[in-house]
Amino acid sequence: KQEVTQIPAALSVPEGENLVLNCSFTDSAIYNLQWFRQDPGKGLTSLLLIQSSQREQTSGRLNASLDKSSGRSTLYIAASQPGDSATYLCALLESQAGTALIFGKGTTLSVSS
Amino acid sequence: NAGVTQTPKFRVLKTGQSMTLLCAQDMNHEYMYWYRQDPGMGLRLIHYSVGEGTTAKGEVPDGYNVSRLKKQNFLLGLESAAPSQTSVYFCASRPGGIYEQYFGPGTRLTVT
Repeated sequence: KQEVTQIPAALSVPEGENLVLNCSFTDSAIYNLQWFRQDPGKGLTSLLLIQSSQREQTSGRLNASLDKSSGRSTLYIAASQPGDSATYLCALLESQAGTALIFGKGTTLSVSS
Repeated sequence: NAGVTQTPKFRVLKTGQSMTLLCAQDMNHEYMYWYRQDPGMGLRLIHYSVGEGTTAKGEVPDGYNVSRLKKQNFLLGLESAAPSQTSVYFCASRPGGIYEQYFGPGTRLTVT
């Protein structure tokens, strides 16, 4: 059974730091991987989607990479800001059929000014 | 374009009561999903639908029923609510050809 793990569960950094969030999965046979952001009491906002054939995706200060062979994805946040404080979730889709995303439990990021 | 909307946003039920949560999307998406999010457990799939008139069980389907009579709506029903169903419920949808999922704002349900 596929399992998705995110370490650390919580991370605190000062403003301006570059940081990396980690996501690992046990079965490399995935279709795609998606990173989400969740603010307290809110829904999930999609940040980046990486197809299984891709190695990375970039959006602004965010860069997500995917290494299927090692079962890892990373989300790199450059020049962090207090507004980046949120919980970041990674989730993967095992096939293009209708089955749903399998989620990690998230990393809660706090950026202090 | 409202995206994915959920009704209601909050609800308090007594044990044994029933209710229906409504999810609506205006993006003509084929696939729709219901998840629940609990502290320490992450998001878990309850039921999903791959098209109008179809439904399927997810990881934690017990105690819930669903219907998708119209493509744009996905209903989640609790026939006899239990305290273990206290959770935040999220609906999501995605198109058939592109696989990014879009989430609704959530429904916070408390069963006393």
